Amino acid sequence: NAGVMQNPRHLVRRRGQEARLRCSPMKGHSHVYWYRQLPEEGLKFMVYLQKENIIDESGMPKERFSAEFPKEGPSILRIQQVVRGDSAAYFCATTGQGAVGELFFGEGSRLTVL
Amino acid sequence: AQSVSQHNHHVILSEAASLELGCNYSYGGTVNLFWYVQYPGQHLQLLLKYFSGDPLVKGIKGFEAEFIKSKFSFNLRKPSVQWSDTAEYFCAVNAGSNDYKLSFGAGTTVTVRA
Repeated sequence: NAGVMQNPRHLVRRRGQEARLRCSPMKGHSHVYWYRQLPEEGLKFMVYLQKENIIDESGMPKERFSAEFPKEGPSILRIQQVVRGDSAAYFCATTGQGAVGELFFGEGSRLTVL
Repeated sequence: AQSVSQHNHHVILSEAASLELGCNYSYGGTVNLFWYVQYPGQHLQLLLKYFSGDPLVKGIKGFEAEFIKSKFSFNLRKPSVQWSDTAEYFCAVNAGSNDYKLSFGAGTTVTVRA
């Protein structure tokens, strides 16, 4: 749904740099999910956040990756010291409720690491 | 965790042909099932979903899917495709209404030739 805004749409980074991906939920949605799609694979769950809380980060790599959803502003997925294997499409989805009904997705941010 | 298999990586059809995309999952408990579509340059959007009741589910744009519990399958069908159905199609599963983690298949790219 066009209401979930992700930026940037495309991001190019060199190895060792930092990548920051932003997600603004649909109006009225307070639950944010980040998914990653590696080439030739399906979307994989990374993290589930509510305002100021990380509910489940079981899908996040243990190092270099972090996510936040502050009281004000968008949710941010941060990747430090990027490596080539981080190249992927990162999708944000939001709902107005915790249990899954329909997830509303953004258009994704495509990260390319040179 | 559930796993989801989509049998076809890329399907090429002519307009007016019938389409069937296979989806199988590996989870023995209660499941919710989804098909998402991603048109070129757009976000993922929900085509249809199954939570309970009639196993034959009607979705948008003339799509339907049938849940066959004994076969752990949720195949997507459309009797007559159009060029505008060119897109990537994702099957997704979660383990009931309190499970917010969707498990996605790898996706099937459908190309409809005019």
